Amino acid sequence: NAGVTQTPKFRVLKTGQSMTLLCAQDMNHEYMYWYRQDPGMGLRLIHYSVGEGTTAKGEVPDGYNVSRLKKQNFLLGLESAAPSQTSVYFCASTPKIGLTEAFFGQGTRLTVV
Amino acid sequence: GENVEQHPSTLSVQEGDSAVIKCTYSDSASNYFPWYKQELGKRPQLIIDIRSNVGEKKDQRIAVTLNKTAKHFSLHITETQPEDSAVYFCAASKNTGGFKTIFGAGTRLFVKA
Repeated sequence: NAGVTQTPKFRVLKTGQSMTLLCAQDMNHEYMYWYRQDPGMGLRLIHYSVGEGTTAKGEVPDGYNVSRLKKQNFLLGLESAAPSQTSVYFCASTPKIGLTEAFFGQGTRLTVV
Repeated sequence: GENVEQHPSTLSVQEGDSAVIKCTYSDSASNYFPWYKQELGKRPQLIIDIRSNVGEKKDQRIAVTLNKTAKHFSLHITETQPEDSAVYFCAASKNTGGFKTIFGAGTRLFVKA
């Protein structure tokens, strides 16, 4: 049972390039989330999804887009990467919205130069 | 805006001593308060959580207390061990009036052998 898996683990982008981060979970969870982690700022929610085909904005959605075409997958896209998007990105899932343990992926370290 | 303040940002204790981390939240509608431990280079993992209808919860060497009137909650680790060294995050979550989970900025705990 893999839990939550993120791809890739590391990536370096040039300013203006685009990329997609993939999150996959095999726990049949309804809810999935994308966070970014920056030093001294904890985890900040970018976007989340309450089910297949639905997405919603979190605290810091600007510059990112998401899609949830399949229940088990949640994609995070950067259309035109900026140095301010250099961060560690974590995907998470929960069986219910918010009020239960979140299972995190292993993280993606993204550097935008 | 709504936030969660976490103190201290860094804590150093001697092995066997106790460690206390405190968090204060602003949104009175918050009703779920998890604590996550993140070891270096790893994903955050839940270590204990408490809901708003409970004042205290204990799991072996770890305990959490919640004061809803004062809007603060604390993590207590007794008989600390070197493997307790990590970054600890508190969070306050709600699912009324819209889903929201706010994380504290984290506390880096060092346990010296």
